[in-house]
Amino acid sequence: AQSVTQPDIHITVSEGASLELRCNYSYGATPYLFWYVQSPGQGLQLLLKYFSGDTLVQGIKGFEAEFKRSQSSFNLRKPSVHWSDAAEYFCAVGAWEGNKLVFGAGTILRVKS
Amino acid sequence: GAVVSQHPSWVICKSGTSVKIECRSLDFQATTMFWYRQFPKQSLMLMATSNEGSKATYEQGVEKDKFLINHASLTLSTLTVTSAHPEDSSFYICSARASGGLEQYFGPGTRLTVT
Repeated sequence: AQSVTQPDIHITVSEGASLELRCNYSYGATPYLFWYVQSPGQGLQLLLKYFSGDTLVQGIKGFEAEFKRSQSSFNLRKPSVHWSDAAEYFCAVGAWEGNKLVFGAGTILRVKS
Repeated sequence: GAVVSQHPSWVICKSGTSVKIECRSLDFQATTMFWYRQFPKQSLMLMATSNEGSKATYEQGVEKDKFLINHASLTLSTLTVTSAHPEDSSFYICSARASGGLEQYFGPGTRLTVT
């Protein structure tokens, strides 16, 4: 079974600063991977996804993520954070067999002005 | 495209009663729907997977007689929490996946409070 770790529970960055949220997964083969964002009391919005091919994927709202097989990582990045990016971010890993998603614990992003 | 709705968005019920939550895919046919539960400040935990026309598959530790799932059509799945107790209070989120797809599209969630 797959698992995913988001080592940072909270991250605070200044508005305009760059951002990197970490995600490490465990799976016996190449998984497919997602990043979602959740605002308080809301559902999840898909930011970006990786299935195969180019390991650097672009998403919405200026986010990108890079799949690194050697490090079992799929870190989320944004070059310049906006106050509206404050939310909770979830990394999810899916297995090609069974098609279930397993979510990380989430990282709460705070943006200070 | 790929919009999923949930109804109601929030519900308060008394202990011992049952409550039904609907999950609809509005602009695509969802052959598979998933139900998750999210406790405050925690991640999403998969409760069950339902395929249209089939019985739901429940995750270990989830009581299937308490959380009844019906996926009667390609656009609608329902979760019924039977004989609800305060410990069932939580945020329930559904997602839907189209045939042959890998992406799950999430609904906005339903906040259940059992008093």
